[in-house]
Amino acid sequence: EAGVTQSPTHLIKTRGQQVTLRCSPISGHTSVYWYQQALGLGLQFLLWYDEGEERNRGNFPPRFSGRQFPNYSSELNVNALELEDSALYLCASSLDTYNEQFFGPGTRLTVL
Amino acid sequence: GIQVEQSPPDLILQEGANSTLRCNFSDSVNNLQWFHQNPWGQLINLFYIPSGTKQNGRLSATTVATERYSLLYISSSQTTDSGVYFCAVGFVSGGSNYKLTFGKGTLLTVNP
Repeated sequence: EAGVTQSPTHLIKTRGQQVTLRCSPISGHTSVYWYQQALGLGLQFLLWYDEGEERNRGNFPPRFSGRQFPNYSSELNVNALELEDSALYLCASSLDTYNEQFFGPGTRLTVL
Repeated sequence: GIQVEQSPPDLILQEGANSTLRCNFSDSVNNLQWFHQNPWGQLINLFYIPSGTKQNGRLSATTVATERYSLLYISSSQTTDSGVYFCAVGFVSGGSNYKLTFGKGTLLTVNP
């Protein structure tokens, strides 16, 4: 069974640009979660999507947004990139809410 | 929000030694997971353990939900066990706002 996949693996952008990260959940999983792991800040919850709807978001500005498609894959969009957005972005999926979450390999974003 | 504290923050062992990592949390939780983060950043699932005890090879975990703590035991440690170990708790706030909250991790170094 294929795990959670994410693309791209690495990304380099400059301040002010926009970026889109992609995530495909494990087959059969309907919930998708996004997390940010920035140096010195630990793993922070960003967004939770379930059945195509945004269910919860963490303490991040509105320039962080996303969506979930009918096939349950998801995109994370970050507008007006700032230097502090440099981080590892991790996507996870679960069979449903409260269930075990499985993580993808992450996308490492560098903002110059 | 819920607080998750892991101890110790750093641990250095000789190969073959045993260790215990602790995770304390400040409120009742819906689930609890232990992860090992490899050098490339991927989070590897170790245990999904909202309560009780589980074992998987040299690793075992116990969660005492009523006393709000979980323990991860590593026996006969190997150099490949090195890395960061995270505890994460799933918690519902405000009726339906669910998310995983991570501790800051324990950095384990196993020397040959």
